[in-house]
Amino acid sequence: GAGVSQSPSNKVTEKGKDVELRCDPISGHTALYWYRQSLGQGLEFLIYFQGNSAPDKSGLPSDRFSAERTGGSVSTLTIQRTQQEDSAVYLCASSLLTSVQETQYFGPGTRLLVL
Amino acid sequence: GDSVTQMEGPVTLSEEAFLTINCTYTATGYPSLFWYVQYPGEGLQLLLKATKADDKGSNKGFEATYRKETTSFHLEKGSVQVSDSAVYFCATDSNYQLIWGAGTKLIIKP
Repeated sequence: GAGVSQSPSNKVTEKGKDVELRCDPISGHTALYWYRQSLGQGLEFLIYFQGNSAPDKSGLPSDRFSAERTGGSVSTLTIQRTQQEDSAVYLCASSLLTSVQETQYFGPGTRLLVL
Repeated sequence: GDSVTQMEGPVTLSEEAFLTINCTYTATGYPSLFWYVQYPGEGLQLLLKATKADDKGSNKGFEATYRKETTSFHLEKGSVQVSDSAVYFCATDSNYQLIWGAGTKLIIKP
């Protein structure tokens, strides 16, 4: 079946603009995760969803970042008033259950460049 | 807090060489350990995992043994191929999230 998909694959924006990143998880996966991968660094956890709720948002780097998930499926990560330090690859993953021992399946990522 | 440290890259080897990529972790309790791989132009995918001490994860000729006494989960392969060129990430779990190492780029030359 289809894997995790993300759109857009690349996004170039100007500093101060808002951007929306979309993630379509694998159908039936309850858990959805957002990560950020900056150049030369490992992945940084941002937020996870269990169904439509996000029990822990503490990984979001600032209040300019927000995420929602509707219908237990698609999720949108929104970055308001983008800054140059927001430039990174944003990865989405999903798993069948909200247990870290469940394999997380990753999308190809959205590469964000803030000029 | 929990953390993962893995050897810096890039690691450059010739085809059929023996591979070791070191990974150590700090974590409370009894974490699970993972190796993920990211091939050029592709998304991250789970390579192998181990859920308790002394477990050995294996896949595609790669192996890693969960060593609690040394808090390590080193990745090994006896004979690498050009197709193994990728970035490898070690990770451990902390509640509901994964804690990641910085990644090690592996380059295999024919």
